[in-house]
Amino acid sequence: RKEVEQDPGPFNVPEGATVAFNCTYSNSASQSFFWYRQDCRKEPKLLMSVYSSGNEDGRFTAQLNRASQYISLLIRDSKLSDSATYLCVVPTRGGGADGLTFGKGTHLIIQP
Amino acid sequence: DADVTQTPRNRITKTGKRIMLECSQTKGHDRMYWYRQDPGLGLRLIYYSFDVKDINKGEISDGYSVSRQAQAKFSLSLESAIPNQTALYFCATSGWTGGSPYQETQYFGPGTRLLVL
Repeated sequence: RKEVEQDPGPFNVPEGATVAFNCTYSNSASQSFFWYRQDCRKEPKLLMSVYSSGNEDGRFTAQLNRASQYISLLIRDSKLSDSATYLCVVPTRGGGADGLTFGKGTHLIIQP
Repeated sequence: DADVTQTPRNRITKTGKRIMLECSQTKGHDRMYWYRQDPGLGLRLIYYSFDVKDINKGEISDGYSVSRQAQAKFSLSLESAIPNQTALYFCATSGWTGGSPYQETQYFGPGTRLLVL
């Protein structure tokens, strides 16, 4: 299994729909996980952190399944402005001491 | 003002030239990173630094060097630029946000778009 693996998409979703995508990781020692959002030609920005089983922030929910080694991101009532690439991020070697490993991203397109 | 700044934002250079990309941060973080991003390959770590006296190679350090001039400044140099170094380069910082040592996230600069002809 690759360190961090994501479905690249694109996911084409109508406005208002719910969309979810997963990310798998290989290092079972990883303790914390992150979802970053990246708009075209812009820098990645932190969207959510996940330390326990999950985290919710408004329309966004991140869930962690340690047994199966995946995290998911759920977006409810999707908006046009949610169109972006979503990067799954895992601490390198599990401890975060030497940085983060980024997935290649899932491209989401919200259609009017 | 932005917490992490990068200069230049865009740069065109020729094969064989030496160039430097600069990064400054006002977040007071100890850790700084340089990444490159290529279409389809995602973000790849070039070098990282945990403090002024600590420099570490990342996944793809060949052809690059770095200098940590101060806590707030971390520069990336391409000693002799080649076309496959054409990419989007990001500087990032991270610092302990309190609580668990695992609660550390990275904050990115706006990026430098580099084209090597």
